[in-house]
Amino acid sequence: AQSVTQLDSHVSVSEGTPVLLRCNYSSSYSPSLFWYVQHPNKGLQLLLKYTSAATLVKGINGFEAEFKKSETSFHLTKPSAHMSDAAEYFCVVSTYGGATNKLIFGTGTLLAVQP
Amino acid sequence: GAGVSQSPSNKVTEKGKDVELRCDPISGHTALYWYRQSLGQGLEFLIYFQGNSAPDKSGLPSDRFSAERTGGSVSTLTIQRTQQEDSAVYLCASSNRQGVNTEAFFGQGTRLTVV
Repeated sequence: AQSVTQLDSHVSVSEGTPVLLRCNYSSSYSPSLFWYVQHPNKGLQLLLKYTSAATLVKGINGFEAEFKKSETSFHLTKPSAHMSDAAEYFCVVSTYGGATNKLIFGTGTLLAVQP
Repeated sequence: GAGVSQSPSNKVTEKGKDVELRCDPISGHTALYWYRQSLGQGLEFLIYFQGNSAPDKSGLPSDRFSAERTGGSVSTLTIQRTQQEDSAVYLCASSNRQGVNTEAFFGQGTRLTVV
């Protein structure tokens, strides 16, 4: 079965410092992985996705993630945090088989950015 | 519209009443998902529609929950005899193809409160 584990429920950084949000996955085959962001009272927005074309994936707003098969990880990073990055971030794995296609969400990491 | 549209944005209902939540997917998107987001439970898959195929209903929590998708476009999620534990944000998403690499585009959600 496919699953993702987000290792931190809360992360707090200072504005201008690097961001690291950790995600480990479990998959019986080569996974497709996504990061979504949810700002307060807003819908989920796709940040980036990994589909095996390249292990380092660049997304919107300066975020990127690196797929590491040996570590079964897909951590999200940003070199310099901005106040507007404060939001909840979800790591997601996609499953597809038969007639169904599910996105399996991690439990989320709430990012706080201090001035 | 450009994105997934959900209505109403907020719904307060009395315990025991039925409610209907509506989702208008992005035009041309063949796949449609319903998810539930509640405190302490994260994002929970409910149901998946793909074209004219039979939907994957494996995530529906009880027989009080049902969903339809008419004409391959608009979808309605119905909750009968609502209970307080049904209080949550119900999210709809659509995508333009099926497969493990497919990202979904989410609406803003309907916040359901059962009193």
